[in-house]
Amino acid sequence: DGGITQSPKYLFRKEGQNVTLSCEQNLNHDAMYWYRQDPGQGLRLIYYSQIVNDFQKGDIAEGYSVSREKKESFPLTVTSAQKNPTAFYLCASSIARSGTDTQYFGPGTRLTVL
Amino acid sequence: DQQVKQNSPSLSVQEGRISILNCDYTNSMFDYFLWYKKYPAEGPTFLISISSIKDKNEDGRFTVFLNKSAKHLSLHIVPSQPGDSAVYFCAASDKNYGGSQGNLIFGKGTKLSVKP
Repeated sequence: DGGITQSPKYLFRKEGQNVTLSCEQNLNHDAMYWYRQDPGQGLRLIYYSQIVNDFQKGDIAEGYSVSREKKESFPLTVTSAQKNPTAFYLCASSIARSGTDTQYFGPGTRLTVL
Repeated sequence: DQQVKQNSPSLSVQEGRISILNCDYTNSMFDYFLWYKKYPAEGPTFLISISSIKDKNEDGRFTVFLNKSAKHLSLHIVPSQPGDSAVYFCAASDKNYGGSQGNLIFGKGTKLSVKP
């Protein structure tokens, strides 16, 4: 089954700790993305990667970091510098980043900071 | 400033009737538009898209209309079914958006409730 997986589904973190969210895809897509969704809000882009070993900041990258060492994996680290980390995090991928390639989303990870 | 606006936070429709969800955008450089459907605590599911060279795209019960002069698009669902109840997001992208081509700009969503 091709698709995007995110783990875990729910994640709890103590304030001041870093936490890494997993995103894996077996669609052979070159481009991958991380979004954050807050209640009553649209999705906001955190980071994106067009190709392995390359990634760029999105609109709200402060307090986050990513890596893209493998084509199928794009983990997101929420650092202690992120002021409001409690949110629903969504990973997506697309064939490329041409502007007309549909992005497909994973099931999401809900992060709660205690 | 929001570049993609969905001005109706919610919409309630009777089963079997038409649902019309609206979306406005401000950036005239947007040339590709998508609609996603989202259930609570799940990732968005792609529904339908339209390129700016078209004014209509149809897929089964779902039709998207694009009015470039008005910078407006709409999603029609007919007939509406209770399983269509979800939040619908409009998104837009620009092939030449300052180096960020391919990035999607999302509206805040419209919650559709289809009543039996």
